[in-house]
Amino acid sequence: LAKTTQPISMDSYEGQEVNITCSHNNIATNDYITWYQQFPSQGPRFIIQGYKTKVTNEVASLFIPADRKSSTLSLPRVSLSDTAVYYCLVGVFSGGYNKLIFGAGTRLAVHP
Amino acid sequence: EAGVTQFPSHSVIEKGQTVTLRCDPISGHDNLYWYRRVMGKEIKFLLHFVKESKQDESGMPNNRFLAERTGGTYSTLKVQPAELEDSGVYFCASSQDPGAVYGYTFGSGTRLTVV
Repeated sequence: LAKTTQPISMDSYEGQEVNITCSHNNIATNDYITWYQQFPSQGPRFIIQGYKTKVTNEVASLFIPADRKSSTLSLPRVSLSDTAVYYCLVGVFSGGYNKLIFGAGTRLAVHP
Repeated sequence: EAGVTQFPSHSVIEKGQTVTLRCDPISGHDNLYWYRRVMGKEIKFLLHFVKESKQDESGMPNNRFLAERTGGTYSTLKVQPAELEDSGVYFCASSQDPGAVYGYTFGSGTRLTVV
């Protein structure tokens, strides 16, 4: 199983760009990289998913280098409401299905 | 579109009692998953249903846990008898795509406290 490593916590200020890097040295060929966001008392919420290069949606961008051993979630111009735990996950395809393996996540605190 | 609904949101029971958690997935989602986070630990996979069939139950901790999904709609997770170490937050998620390319949708969880 591919294990992920990401910073335990990060601090930022409103309006700044935040980049959270995740290491996944043992990623397998079939694995996608997925990022989730979790607020207190809520379940994790899907942010973005990618396989290689760059993916962008209305919330974030995901940068994946060619070797796929790491990925970087980029949050443009964060606000206080972006304070949450961010999980980098590498899916395990078993029989065609995706089983998400959660790590400890990165606790992002956005300050005024 | 309604999200994934879990009931109850909180449950406090005594050790040895039985508790049943319920999850209503998004309508039409064949894939339903149970996860849990016990105190201080990471969110762990419990099991995965495809319709009414258990695709993967490798994460179920022991035989005190029983998950069902009759008719392939809602699912229940029963803990009998509950132990102190079962305390935590139980999350349910569903997805339409088996590869979850567009991500799972999680419910808000059921916080279980065993005293």
